[in-house]
Amino acid sequence: GDSVTQMEGPVTLSEEAFLTINCTYTATGYPSLFWYVQYPGEGLQLLLKATKADDKGSNKGFEATYRKETTSFHLEKGSVQVSDSAVYFCALYLLQGAQKLVFGQGTRLTINP
Amino acid sequence: EPEVTQTPSHQVTQMGQEVILRCVPISNHLYFYWYRQILGQKVEFLVSFYNNEISEKSEIFDDQFSVERPDGSNFTLKIRSTKLEDSAMYFCASRDTSSGNTIYFGEGSWLTVV
Repeated sequence: GDSVTQMEGPVTLSEEAFLTINCTYTATGYPSLFWYVQYPGEGLQLLLKATKADDKGSNKGFEATYRKETTSFHLEKGSVQVSDSAVYFCALYLLQGAQKLVFGQGTRLTINP
Repeated sequence: EPEVTQTPSHQVTQMGQEVILRCVPISNHLYFYWYRQILGQKVEFLVSFYNNEISEKSEIFDDQFSVERPDGSNFTLKIRSTKLEDSAMYFCASRDTSSGNTIYFGEGSWLTVV
């Protein structure tokens, strides 16, 4: 079935470090891909998305490129801040068949000053 | 910016009691969803709803669960007889075709069953 696999957390970095959170997916069709972020005590917020191969989603300094050949959508940021500390969820959405979001397990990110 | 709103933000209930979680989706959206997140775990799909009927449900969504759109704005999740393992954050979400495949989530309702 359709699934999303994220790199195991937790991830702890120092401020201004480079961030990569890996995400790979398995899907029978052509999914749209998303990153959602959950700050402590809050709900799920859309961070960025990409709807087709080679699309790059970006927001708040974060980027992710839809790589169909490697079925990946890795999240990157060049210089993280303490305020980026949160749980990050990669997700896919298929318009064909089951029309729902399928989430990865989430990666907890902690940024130390 | 329009948003999905949920009430209550937190509810504590005794095992066996009925609970209703309420959601107001974004006004021009046509597809509605409930997801849940048990503490520290992944976000799980419960049910999707379109055109006044369930379009898909997961195996978690058993006979104890039901959804309803009682009027033009609210979308509710009812748990008939709560169990300890129903304790989780419940997220309502909505989508419309003009936003593509983007699903917008509410802030969530924390349910604690004691």
